[in-house]
Amino acid sequence: AQSVSQHNHHVILSEAASLELGCNYSYGGTVNLFWYVQYPGQHLQLLLKYFSGDPLVKGIKGFEAEFIKSKFSFNLRKPSVQWSDTAEYFCGGGSTLGRLYFGRGTQLTVWP
Amino acid sequence: DAGVTQSPTHLIKTRGQQVTLRCSPKSGHDTVSWYQQALGQGPQFIFQYYEEEERQRGNFPDRFSGHQFPNYSSELNVNALLLGDSALYLCASSRDGTLSEAFFGQGTRLTVV
Repeated sequence: AQSVSQHNHHVILSEAASLELGCNYSYGGTVNLFWYVQYPGQHLQLLLKYFSGDPLVKGIKGFEAEFIKSKFSFNLRKPSVQWSDTAEYFCGGGSTLGRLYFGRGTQLTVWP
Repeated sequence: DAGVTQSPTHLIKTRGQQVTLRCSPKSGHDTVSWYQQALGQGPQFIFQYYEEEERQRGNFPDRFSGHQFPNYSSELNVNALLLGDSALYLCASSRDGTLSEAFFGQGTRLTVV
């Protein structure tokens, strides 16, 4: 079975705090992992992706994620969050034909 | 601008009715996938269209059907609407189904009353 799970449903931080959102996956084949962000009223946007190679992936807006195969994890991190990072974050995994499996999402609220 | 356009943005239907949602993919993309995002949940894969055929399908009943046109645009049809079909319906486009460039539209918010 292919599935993705996100541990935190709602995270509240103050500006400048560090962020780590958990994501675990269950896969039977090639691992393709993603993090998407959905700002209020906007479309899902790709933050970063991992297909192979360096397990530390850099994305847009200062986000990064680390693929740890032994832990089946792909956690999202940012050293210092901003108020503008308030959004919903989705971890996703993909099959070779382009089907995406999403976690249920984590709502991040950043207080100024 | 996502490049993927969906219409309408909002829709209210009555139980038992039928609905058609539309998606125009990003320029250069030939594959369209549809997702259902219920409140408080992540998007769930409905099906994918490539070369005007349904290439793969998620765990959704036959009430959900689709179509892809020669210009790569796509429609999602839902028959015999249920209250539980209320959700945000997302369209994603890509090239040949590859995940390296999947772009999402803003979605159609369907409310069934």
